[in-house]
Amino acid sequence: GENVEQHPSTLSVQEGDSAVIKCTYSDSASNYFPWYKQELGKRPQLIIDIRSNVGEKKDQRIAVTLNKTAKHFSLHITETQPEDSAVYFCAAWAGNVLTFGGGTRLMVKP
Amino acid sequence: NAGVTQTPKFRILKIGQSMTLQCTQDMNHNYMYWYRQDPGMGLKLIYYSVGAGITDKGEVPNGYNVSRSTTEDFPLRLELAAPSQTSVYFCASSYDRYNEQFFGPGTRLTVL
Repeated sequence: GENVEQHPSTLSVQEGDSAVIKCTYSDSASNYFPWYKQELGKRPQLIIDIRSNVGEKKDQRIAVTLNKTAKHFSLHITETQPEDSAVYFCAAWAGNVLTFGGGTRLMVKP
Repeated sequence: NAGVTQTPKFRILKIGQSMTLQCTQDMNHNYMYWYRQDPGMGLKLIYYSVGAGITDKGEVPNGYNVSRSTTEDFPLRLELAAPSQTSVYFCASSYDRYNEQFFGPGTRLTVL
């Protein structure tokens, strides 16, 4: 089955700096890559996704890039704000199943 | 729309007891999923369903069972609860494969 690795596990940045989270996947048939944000004690919520026929997608301060050849994709958050503090999960879809990475705890210091 | 709802929110079980976690969605989604999330960890798929009457195992199905008799409901059954099943359980649904999964608020289960 699919295996998704996510790095780093924790990330601390100053408010206004950029944050980058990286993921690799193993199944070359994977073709859909969403990112979820989970605030403490809350449910995961989709923040952005990318499909295999697209190399980059941007939504305001958030962008995702995909390199299918290298089988890795990344989340970029610019001009971080304290409300960006949360756990972020990448995921890869293969077959009928979405496999999640282990998560990155992002802390934005004011 | 209420989205995805789960009951109960919290539950404490004794070892060997059984229970059913309820999940309902009102978005007419075909796909439904059950995940567990251990403290500080990611989400692991227990079971999923691609439509009423169709279910399949995920990564960690042992100790659980599911059924899907209607589009709206996807209950998860725990038989003979064990401490290893202490976790937060999330139900989710999506319209199709490559679409956003909407999560319920979760059920926090403790087995003592």
